[in-house]
Amino acid sequence: QKEVEQDPGPLSVPEGAIVSLNCTYSNSAFQYFMWYRQYSRKGPELLMYTYSSGNKEDGRFTAQVDKSSKYISLFIRDSQPSDSATYLCAMSGERDMRFGAGTRLTVKP
Amino acid sequence: DTGVSQNPRHKITKRGQNVTFRCDPISEHNRLYWYRQTLGQGPEFLTYFQNEAQLEKSRLLSDRFSAERPKGSFSTLEIQRTEQGDSAMYLCASSLPPGALREKLFFGSGTQLSVL
Repeated sequence: QKEVEQDPGPLSVPEGAIVSLNCTYSNSAFQYFMWYRQYSRKGPELLMYTYSSGNKEDGRFTAQVDKSSKYISLFIRDSQPSDSATYLCAMSGERDMRFGAGTRLTVKP
Repeated sequence: DTGVSQNPRHKITKRGQNVTFRCDPISEHNRLYWYRQTLGQGPEFLTYFQNEAQLEKSRLLSDRFSAERPKGSFSTLEIQRTEQGDSAMYLCASSLPPGALREKLFFGSGTQLSVL
């Protein structure tokens, strides 16, 4: 079993839709939870960062962490074609960071 | 441009050859990481440095791989006797010192390696 599981998709939605992306994990030591966005042929860029359980909102993006269920989510409201990318969940504890496989999202105009 | 810079962007080599990649991190960042990413997968941790000290290496990093950061600034990743399975995107990232938001990694655009 991988430490971090993420549905690879692909996921295709119409412009304006609400997008829900999810990851599960198995390592209870993870304390920091991140979402990175990766455009084709580019390195990942940090989108959202949360520590421990709870919600965090930033514009159209909301990150949720449920440590009791070992489940994290990213919601994108009013999705735009420019949101089309691969979204990677990532988490870390005391050691290095672990990434999910990434979910490829396409937002159609 | 003050981001993380990686060179070359693309490298095509024949099996058995040695290759070396370079990473220039953001200047005030003292942590530097190397990751490997294959198509459809997330980045896999290879190794990281704090200043010039290599603090951790993944089991993925076989003895054909070596990384250096001689002066705590740029880093090089060398792969000796390349194999077709080494074909991947090699990503470098840097982050702020401990006590700051160390989990906020800034990635370069990567070096795409193709081993023929």
